[in-house]
Amino acid sequence: DTGVSQDPRHKITKRGQNVTFRCDPISEHNRLYWYRQTLGQGPEFLTYFQNEAQLEKSRLLSDRFSAERPKGSFSTLEIQRTEQGDSAMYLCASSLGAGAKYEQYFGPGTRLTVT
Amino acid sequence: GENVEQHPSTLSVQEGDSAVIKCTYSDSASNYFPWYKQELGKRPQLIIDIRSNVGEKKDQRIAVTLNKTAKHFSLHITETQPEDSAVYFCAATGPEAGSYQLTFGKGTKLSVIP
Repeated sequence: DTGVSQDPRHKITKRGQNVTFRCDPISEHNRLYWYRQTLGQGPEFLTYFQNEAQLEKSRLLSDRFSAERPKGSFSTLEIQRTEQGDSAMYLCASSLGAGAKYEQYFGPGTRLTVT
Repeated sequence: GENVEQHPSTLSVQEGDSAVIKCTYSDSASNYFPWYKQELGKRPQLIIDIRSNVGEKKDQRIAVTLNKTAKHFSLHITETQPEDSAVYFCAATGPEAGSYQLTFGKGTKLSVIP
């Protein structure tokens, strides 16, 4: 499968615990995005990487959230001290970026449930 | 920032009929408008997109139209089939967004009745 992959697919955690999600983009894509989707809503932008550089963050991304893309390949999203309001689907997307290639392809998401 | 409104929120059609979903956007600088289909429990799947330099694009049974002056765009599905049942999201982006992150509408749940 050469599409975007995410791991884990589901995560149940207790409030106050830390969680980390991983995204593997399509191999030649240098742009990587994280979005959050809650029930009945469209995805909302969280943060963006161009290669290894994190170039943009949404105001939705509180200081409890951190994202990395250390070698410009896979990315991780960590949530510290989880809250019930963090329960959502976390989606990763990637795009080629070059030559105005805007198309973003999504992974299957990680569904987080905070109890 | 960009704001995208999508209507209707739910749509039921008989198999074989057409379905139309409409979106409006607020940022006149937006120049890329994709549509995604999301089946229950699955990833959003890019089904068609349009750039601001064209007014219409077709791909088999689906088409998208764009009216830049009015800042609205629409998805048209003809000869609907039960497998078209899903939630459809419109989105918009452009150079003002810097990263070209997508701003999504709230989605339309399409049900095709056999």
